[in-house]
Amino acid sequence: DIQMTQSPSTLSASVGDRVTITCRASQSISTWLAWYQQKPGQAPNLLIYKASDLESGVPSRFSGSGSGTEFTLTISSLQPDDFATYYCQQYNFYSQGTFGQGTKVEIK
Amino acid sequence: QITLKESGPTLVKPTQTLTLTCTFSGFSLSTSGVGVGWIRQPPGKALEWLALIYWNDDKRYSPSLKTRLTITKDTSKNQVVLTMTNIDPVDTATYYCAHSKAGHWYFDLWGRGTLVTVSS
Repeated sequence: DIQMTQSPSTLSASVGDRVTITCRASQSISTWLAWYQQKPGQAPNLLIYKASDLESGVPSRFSGSGSGTEFTLTISSLQPDDFATYYCQQYNFYSQGTFGQGTKVEIK
Repeated sequence: QITLKESGPTLVKPTQTLTLTCTFSGFSLSTSGVGVGWIRQPPGKALEWLALIYWNDDKRYSPSLKTRLTITKDTSKNQVVLTMTNIDPVDTATYYCAHSKAGHWYFDLWGRGTLVTVSS
């Protein structure tokens, strides 16, 4: 089974900060990685797919990069609406998907 | 416009079988490449991928839950059903269903989720 490990678990930041979240896969997943944002009481919302493709309607301050086993989600300038929990997910047609354990972005 | 809605019991007793239904609109599960999956989230914890069914009836299950899960589809009713046997209090969670668009296997659209509590 492919395991996904996110770091950090919690991140304290201020409005305007550049924020980076890392996701590591236990084996190579090429670029089959998605990022989601989840706010309390809401379903997750897709931000990034195929490691770096921005989902339609998602602000351009969100970006993703990486391939193989190491990936990053970057928020270029943190906005008040961005305080939430972020999850990475590996996916492929041939086996089950796996989520990371989440990174909570808090107000500093 | 694609929508998904989860339905099922809110309270289940330990050892019972849980049956959840995802009713969707705006797409067909007979369209090549499309899938519908189930994900759960215990209170205050992370997302857990459970199962996914594809347009061609191909199915994927979480290895740790595979013996307890069954996912089926009824294309004519636009529904996907997840059953989980031998329910335990640790299965208390919000259960989400989500759409996986053709040729992609991430979840681009989610239902609002349904909270299932397991308690005697």
